[in-house]
This record gives sequence, C-alpha cells and structure tokens, in this order.
Amino acid sequence: AQSVTQLDSQVPVFEEAPVELRCNYSSSVSVYLFWYVQYPNQGLQLLLKYLSGSTLVKGINGFEAEFNKSQTSFHLRKPSVHISDTAEYFCAVSVRGTYKYIFGTGTRLKVLA
Amino acid sequence: GAVVSQHPSWVICKSGTSVKIECRSLDFQATTMFWYRQFPKQSLMLMATSNEGSKATYEQGVEKDKFLINHASLTLSTLTVTSAHPEDSSFYICSARIGGQGNIQYFGAGTRLSVL
Repeated sequence: AQSVTQLDSQVPVFEEAPVELRCNYSSSVSVYLFWYVQYPNQGLQLLLKYLSGSTLVKGINGFEAEFNKSQTSFHLRKPSVHISDTAEYFCAVSVRGTYKYIFGTGTRLKVLA
Repeated sequence: GAVVSQHPSWVICKSGTSVKIECRSLDFQATTMFWYRQFPKQSLMLMATSNEGSKATYEQGVEKDKFLINHASLTLSTLTVTSAHPEDSSFYICSARIGGQGNIQYFGAGTRLSVL
C-alpha cells in the first residue's frame, strides 16, 4: 500500500524568504507525484507534477519540486514567498496503472508580512 | 483549459432530506470522475470513482446507498447524499481525469454541505 507523509502541519515564513514543504512517500511500485494548493473554501489547484524524466520539476507561481527516488521524497520549494502564497498545500501520489490519488495530510503555509 | 465546475458551492439542508451535488467538466470530456470528502483541517479522502455509463466504485467504508453517484455523460457526474444527517456535513470535492493525460486530476471548487 502507498502512503504519503507531510511532516509539517504548519509552516510560518516571512515574506520574501525561501520555503521548503516536505513530502515523503512510501510505495513498492512506481508512482506519479503531485503538489496541489488549496485556498480557503476552494478546490485544489495543480502546482506541479512529476510523471517521468527530469527529477526537478517547475510549476506555477514560482514553485518547484525535486523527485528523489532514493529518499522517496518530493519536497516543494520556492525561493521567495509572497503573502498570496498563504494556503494549504497537499502532496499526492498516484500509482502508475491506477488513477487514484493518495493525499498527504497537508501543510498550511502562512506567509507573514 | 481543463475547468471543472461544481454546483452548488454551499448548501444547507434539514436532517432527513437529500442533496444533489453536480460536477461538470466544462471544456473537456472526463474519462473518469472522482468524489472526495474533506473534513475541517484534514486531507481529502477518496469516496468513489465513477466512469461514464457504469456503476461507481466505492472505497471501503463508504456507504453506496447513502452516497449515490451517477455519471450520466462524459461531462457530468452527480453525488446525491440521501437522508442526510449532521454527521454528513463536510466539504465535498469532485475531480475529473482526461483520458490520455495519465493520472492528472482537475478539481472542482468544492461544495460545503451543512446538515441541520
């Protein structure tokens, strides 16, 4: 069975500072990896995805993530955050050959002025 | 592109009544649609997977008679919460997958259900 761990439930960071949101997964088979952002009372918006190829993935809003197979991680990073980045961020995995997502518990990013 | 519309965004109903939530893919045909439930400050839990023209596949522990899913066309899936009770109050989110785009899911904005 697959699982996703987001170690940090909340991450406060000052505006213009860098941030890293951690995601580790467990799977015995190949997976696809995703990061989604959820603003209050809204659905999820795809930030970026790793399907294959380059392990460094660039997404929208200046975010990027790196797939590390040996460490089974897919950490999300942004070099300089804005107040508008305040939201809930979810990491998800999907087993190749199936279409189901398994979500992590989410990390609430709070950007402080 | 790849917009998923969910309606209503918020619904309040009395205990014992049924509520229908619609999920539409506006600019694409959705091979598969998914329904999730999200409790406050928690992650999304997959309730069921539906393919157009066939019965939905429910996750373990989800009552199929309580949460009726109909996927009548490639652009519309509905979730009906039957005989709703206060414990069914939650945030329900649908998503859709485009055939040929692998495992990417596009999400609706969610429906907040409050059962009084």
